[in-house]
Amino acid sequence: DSGVTQTPKHLITATGQRVTLRCSPRSGDLSVYWYQQSLDQGLQFLIQYYNGEERAKGNILERFSAQQFPDLHSELNLSSLELGDSALYFCASSGRPKDGYYGYTFGSGTRLTVV
Amino acid sequence: AQKVTQAQTEISVVEKEDVTLDCVYETRDTTYYLFWYKQPPSGELVFLIRRNSFDEQNEISGRYSWNFQKSTSSFNFTITASQVVDSAVYFCALSEAKVKAAGNKLTFGGGTRVLVKP
Repeated sequence: DSGVTQTPKHLITATGQRVTLRCSPRSGDLSVYWYQQSLDQGLQFLIQYYNGEERAKGNILERFSAQQFPDLHSELNLSSLELGDSALYFCASSGRPKDGYYGYTFGSGTRLTVV
Repeated sequence: AQKVTQAQTEISVVEKEDVTLDCVYETRDTTYYLFWYKQPPSGELVFLIRRNSFDEQNEISGRYSWNFQKSTSSFNFTITASQVVDSAVYFCALSEAKVKAAGNKLTFGGGTRVLVKP
């Protein structure tokens, strides 16, 4: 167990629908990152939150949004789903720098299938 | 902008053969971290190694070894005496090393699928 919890592990939904993916970071970590792994785009950074605020944005579609709550868990909302959104979505968390490195831990991912 | 290239999309070997995975990176950062991750068929990302850009010493861990050459911007990974359990997708990744409380994102290469046949 990496300490980063992602739910659900699997999700099957229809085109046009909206889903929410959840991530609980490792205890004490303030930063949460979301990544998408699709067949054609590889592993891509989507967005980062730090202590409740958005800190960095990658190739995230406008149909996607995220937030980090006061208890530091994060949710990734995907709406108007298309077949191409089918992917493995990873969450990662990082903590305070120690010896110059902040640590980085991945969750086990949520596999989204859009049919 | 950062970029990581893994030119080999798939490598197939017979058990006990050595296999080397290539990783070439681009970055304007003067200090940075390089990583290798393993993704077995079950899908999770397994951390293998992190290397700081100012530490060019090669590293060996069991059957795994890494060759970092800053002059050619490469960070190659060798599995010695491969085993069936090494079958997985391997990703090379890069992040800036500037210490920020918020941390830094990772930029991944496209991955190399390794198939070890018995």
